[in-house]
Amino acid sequence: NAGVTQTPKFQVLKTGQSMTLQCAQDMNHEYMSWYRQDPGMGLRLIHYSVGAGITDQGEVPNGYNVSRSTTEDFPLRLLSAAPSQTSVYFCASSYSSRGKTQYFGPGTRLLVL
Amino acid sequence: AQTVTQSQPEMSVQEAETVTLSCTYDTSESDYYLFWYKQPPSRQMILVIRQEAYKQQNATENRFSVNFQKAAKSFSLKISDSQLGDAAMYFCAYRQRSEFEGGSEKLVFGKGTKLTVNP
Repeated sequence: NAGVTQTPKFQVLKTGQSMTLQCAQDMNHEYMSWYRQDPGMGLRLIHYSVGAGITDQGEVPNGYNVSRSTTEDFPLRLLSAAPSQTSVYFCASSYSSRGKTQYFGPGTRLLVL
Repeated sequence: AQTVTQSQPEMSVQEAETVTLSCTYDTSESDYYLFWYKQPPSRQMILVIRQEAYKQQNATENRFSVNFQKAAKSFSLKISDSQLGDAAMYFCAYRQRSEFEGGSEKLVFGKGTKLTVNP
């Protein structure tokens, strides 16, 4: 198994540009989520999904959209990038809830100029 | 809302010695899970150890063990025989147990402790 994969590893955007961060997992996990990591802030939940077709907001959802058309993929979209979205983004997945361990992807470093 | 506090932004330990990282959390729930994740310079988040709140026995994984004090809402990580490869950021995280399958069970993270291992 490849586990949780994320692309790209690093991206530079200009303010106002849009892009999609890709996340995929091959473990048949129902639960997937996106976090952002900022210095001194730990990881904060952006959006999550408990299964295909079901998504919900986390702690810091503004400026981000998600969709979950398949069990394997959970892309994160930035419609109009802002410098405040400069961060490292992690995707994670686990078997459906009940406290199962979340497994993280390698992260995407995003710089918005 | 649940919160997780790691009061030690940085810690250091000599190689082969023991170090304890602190974590406290705030919740009104009785059924939940606690985790320690390690993040080396590669930025990969690696699960170190996991504790289920309904279990009184402290979890152990080789050189890593926890001291889980449910009443005090404390969940410290002890690393024995520290190795150079243990140097990393360590994050404590809380996950509430959902009442039903498919419920929201987000991870709430502390801000992390940077561990330095001195040779």
